[in-house]
Amino acid sequence: GAGVSQSPRYKVAKRGQDVALRCDPISGHVSLFWYQQALGQGPEFLTYFQNEAQLDKSGLPSDRFFAERPEGSVSTLKIQRTQQEDSAVYLCASSLAGLAAEQFFGPGTRLTVL
Amino acid sequence: AQSVTQLGSHVSVSEGALVLLRCNYSSSVPPYLFWYVQYPNQGLQLLLKYTSAATLVKGINGFEAEFKKSETSFHLTKPSAHMSDAAEYFCAVRAYGNNRLAFGKGNQVVVIP
Repeated sequence: GAGVSQSPRYKVAKRGQDVALRCDPISGHVSLFWYQQALGQGPEFLTYFQNEAQLDKSGLPSDRFFAERPEGSVSTLKIQRTQQEDSAVYLCASSLAGLAAEQFFGPGTRLTVL
Repeated sequence: AQSVTQLGSHVSVSEGALVLLRCNYSSSVPPYLFWYVQYPNQGLQLLLKYTSAATLVKGINGFEAEFKKSETSFHLTKPSAHMSDAAEYFCAVRAYGNNRLAFGKGNQVVVIP
């Protein structure tokens, strides 16, 4: 079956622009996660949804970062007034419910802020 | 908060030799532990996971890992490296009662023919 998909795969933005990154999770997965992966580093947690509810947003680095999942399926991560330090790969993952459930990752969106 | 330590960002191994990637975790309660592999321009793929069942966990592609509570370790091994094992490997921990994964910095594995 189809895995997690993300779009766009690559995004170049000028500093100060707003960007929106999309994640299509695996059908039926109630949990959805966003991670940020800087060059040469492991992924860092940003935020977590269970269905449409955002249960944990403690990893969002600033109030310029905003995520939503209005119908409990597709999610969008929005970054306002992008800065160079926002350049990273943004990974989306989805899973069934349960703490031991495997998180399935998408290919990521590589954001470069000039 | 839980965290993971992976030492040695780059690991070189000869084809056919043992692959050993070390992972130590800190967690206030027994955790769930995971190893993921990442190929260039791809997302992370689960290799194996420990969820408090057997301490020796077997995963895909011939990899296995052993949970040692006394050493707070979850090292990943493969008896014989293959060229296709060249990739980046991440250890991750998920504390009980917490949904997020905390990742180590990763090991870039290079396989030498």
